[in-house]
Amino acid sequence: SAVISQKPSRDICQRGTSLTIQCQVDSQVTMMFWYRQQPGQSLTLIATANQGSEATYESGFVIDKFPISRPNLTFSTLTVSNMSPEDSSIYLCSGCRFSGGEEQFFGPGTRLTVL
Amino acid sequence: GESVGLHLPTLSVQEGDNSIINCAYSNSASDYFIWYKQESGKGPQFIIDIRSNMDKRQGQRVTVLLNKTVKHLSLQIAATQPGDSAVYFCAENGDGANNLFFGTGTRLTVIP
Repeated sequence: SAVISQKPSRDICQRGTSLTIQCQVDSQVTMMFWYRQQPGQSLTLIATANQGSEATYESGFVIDKFPISRPNLTFSTLTVSNMSPEDSSIYLCSGCRFSGGEEQFFGPGTRLTVL
Repeated sequence: GESVGLHLPTLSVQEGDNSIINCAYSNSASDYFIWYKQESGKGPQFIIDIRSNMDKRQGQRVTVLLNKTVKHLSLQIAATQPGDSAVYFCAENGDGANNLFFGTGTRLTVIP
């Protein structure tokens, strides 16, 4: 599978600020996704990052809070806007080359703490 | 959303024993399932997958069993090693979705 890197790996931010997380894949992928994982819990899909168009958000997540970009087939960003302590979580980027979720692989995650 | 859950949130096994991690899913339309391993501080790592037209698939030391009748998935790890200690997640693709829906997770601890 391809390798995904994320920047930053972790950050501590102040309430009300915004953080942009970068996701880079070492080869082209069809689909890219952003997940959130609360400590000790499972993964929840935030949105599907669509190349050249607006991301598709899951219920409970909105573009104003989590704007996403995907300018090409190997790169995406997720911004966590106007952060509050409730946004403290691990944010994971994933990608797959095939439809139907096949062989979806993940980045190492970005651990965000909001004070 | 889909409902994918695990029967056992924690599992402790002796090194060398076999481990069985179970998962139930709710969407009978799901046609693709994956098991992931997540070690502390890392992203989920793909272990093995299975399509709904199969009931068993084997990898290196791992076997996934799928029972579509009762919507149950299991991961068997043979000769469990300390390096197998991690949280294991099952995931399904729901109703032909491109994304995955994840189960709760089971923490496997291997006792040396």
